[in-house]
Amino acid sequence: QSALTQPASVSGSPGQSITISCTATSSDVGSYNLVSWFQQHPAKAPKLMIYEVTKRPSGISNRFSGSKSGNTASLTISGLQAEDEADYYCCSYAGGGTWVFGGGTKVTVL
Amino acid sequence: QVQLVQSGAEMKKPGASVKVSCKASGYTFSNYGVTWVRQAPGQGLEWMGWINAYNGNTDYAQKMQGRVTLTTDTSASTAYLELRSLRDDDTAVYYCARGLLPMASGWPGYWGQGTLVTVSS
Repeated sequence: QSALTQPASVSGSPGQSITISCTATSSDVGSYNLVSWFQQHPAKAPKLMIYEVTKRPSGISNRFSGSKSGNTASLTISGLQAEDEADYYCCSYAGGGTWVFGGGTKVTVL
Repeated sequence: QVQLVQSGAEMKKPGASVKVSCKASGYTFSNYGVTWVRQAPGQGLEWMGWINAYNGNTDYAQKMQGRVTLTTDTSASTAYLELRSLRDDDTAVYYCARGLLPMASGWPGYWGQGTLVTVSS
């Protein structure tokens, strides 16, 4: 069982905003502001979308934004587009030099 | 441009070992760490470990301790993952990824294409 809990699925219509949550089930994981988010399309390698909770790598649309409150990190996708349909994973530092992924959230664009 | 090219698919029997390579280009190999992540069929991502390509220091997921070894060959700009005592549930796509920032173990920003390892008797 992952130390990070994500909803199995989230859906929205084109143009809408959706938010994916990522809740740390252990206090040590939740105490770090070292959270990243990855997008993965079927049969493709994951793509880093957000790092250090809120930062976007070069080339990532500003429609993607990250935040964290307490033990829960969130990824918001605004202006939802068909190409955003994918699986999304959060990842957090877990201490001792190790990292842990959440179970993943399937985003469906209706 | 940064590229990570992994070795081809492998088919192994339970109890065997596998070594996956990840050849890097487009940057100074020793300036960045390499993360290894795997994904079983239809499942989520699993962080396996990280290696500092400058000094060879490693961190491993507790679950993988004792069965996995990460190494690098800086002269060949190549990272390796060796997994021993393979079990059926080690069947997965194995990814290598370079960190976005120098020497940071987080933020794997550049990924290889993945290597499918199938374990079956």
